[in-house]
Amino acid sequence: DGGITQSPKYLFRKEGQNVTLSCEQNLNHDAMYWYRQDPGQGLRLIYYSQIVNDFQKGDIAEGYSVSREKKESFPLTVTSAQKNPTAFYLCASSIQSLETQYFGPGTRLLVL
Amino acid sequence: DAKTTQPNSMESNEEEPVHLPCNHSTISGTDYIHWYRQLPSQGPEYVIHGLTSNVNNRMASLAIAEDRKSSTLILHRATLRDAAVYYCILKQRQGAQKLVFGQGTRLTINP
Repeated sequence: DGGITQSPKYLFRKEGQNVTLSCEQNLNHDAMYWYRQDPGQGLRLIYYSQIVNDFQKGDIAEGYSVSREKKESFPLTVTSAQKNPTAFYLCASSIQSLETQYFGPGTRLLVL
Repeated sequence: DAKTTQPNSMESNEEEPVHLPCNHSTISGTDYIHWYRQLPSQGPEYVIHGLTSNVNNRMASLAIAEDRKSSTLILHRATLRDAAVYYCILKQRQGAQKLVFGQGTRLTINP
């Protein structure tokens, strides 16, 4: 079945540690996105990518990094510079950068 | 980004219609009105979108005011599985790459 997968479902980070969240899609979508959601809040855009080897900062990119080496994959690294990383992280993709976005199931990141 | 205003919460009964309002008085001529919903601990799910005319799909209907300053998402016969947070989002057809999520409306469905 086509869709977006995110792993792991839960991730624990120690102080000062970098962690990478995986996002894979087999929908042949060009654009991919990373959002962060804090409890009781809407989603905020971290990074997005319209095409392979290209990506743009969103509203809250500080402390995060991404890569887009393959069309299917858009991993997000939460660096030690992100001082408040505890949140629900959602990956999305769309067939073109202007169309409907399809979301993955999310990764919940917790700090130990 | 143009702003939308939605009630924080609404409640309805199972098998009854639900009308979820959204105000967007600063909407521009190129903004599409999108609705997404998010079930607990899941990613958002696309529901419907429109520009000027009313739209129907298998999930819902979207009624857009003539001046486009407000819209209403209509669930014709609510089920318990429709309990979710519903987001009304304005999205430019050209240029904008992000969905700007507000706090949405938390819909509770009573059995």
